[in-house]
Amino acid sequence: QKEVEQDPGPLSVPEGAIVSLNCTYSNSAFQYFMWYRQYSRKGPELLMYTYSSGNKEDGRFTAQVDKSSKYISLFIRDSQPSDSATYLCAMSAGTGGFKTIFGAGTRLFVKA
Amino acid sequence: NAGVTQTPKFRILKIGQSMTLQCTQDMNHNYMYWYRQDPGMGLKLIYYSVGAGITDKGEVPNGYNVSRSTTEDFPLRLELAAPSQTSVYFCASSYTAEPANYGYTFGSGTRLTVV
Repeated sequence: QKEVEQDPGPLSVPEGAIVSLNCTYSNSAFQYFMWYRQYSRKGPELLMYTYSSGNKEDGRFTAQVDKSSKYISLFIRDSQPSDSATYLCAMSAGTGGFKTIFGAGTRLFVKA
Repeated sequence: NAGVTQTPKFRILKIGQSMTLQCTQDMNHNYMYWYRQDPGMGLKLIYYSVGAGITDKGEVPNGYNVSRSTTEDFPLRLELAAPSQTSVYFCASSYTAEPANYGYTFGSGTRLTVV
């Protein structure tokens, strides 16, 4: 069983839709939860991070963590064609050792 | 401010050949990393460095070597290339050892094919 599971998609939505991207994990020690966005032929870039449980909002993006269910989500409101990318979740226990675990990524297409 | 620069962007190697993937950063980050990304798999850590002269193995180090003679540069060496090393390689750097809030800064990647 992978430590982090992420549906690879692709997920195709019309412009303006609300998008929900999700990851599940098995390691209860994870405390830091991150979302990276990766455009085609580019490196990932940090989009949002959350510490422990709860929600965090940044513009059209909301990150949500449910540690009891070992489930994290990224919501994108009013999705735009420019949001078309691969979204990778990543998580870490925060105990050092450089053990950030990345999900495989979900490909998102937003159609104009 | 260039961030993390990787060269080359693409390369085709024959089995048994060797090459060095170059990585340089201009943010004065102490922490640098090499990842590989394969279809359907998450990023896998190959090697990392916490500062000049200090390197350590990650999750998948076999077949690779690194060095860190300066803060800016962190080259990855492939010896005796094998088809299993066909992948996209990303170099990254970070301000802190636990980069959750600042994140990693990634380069644009090197697409390597071994035939």
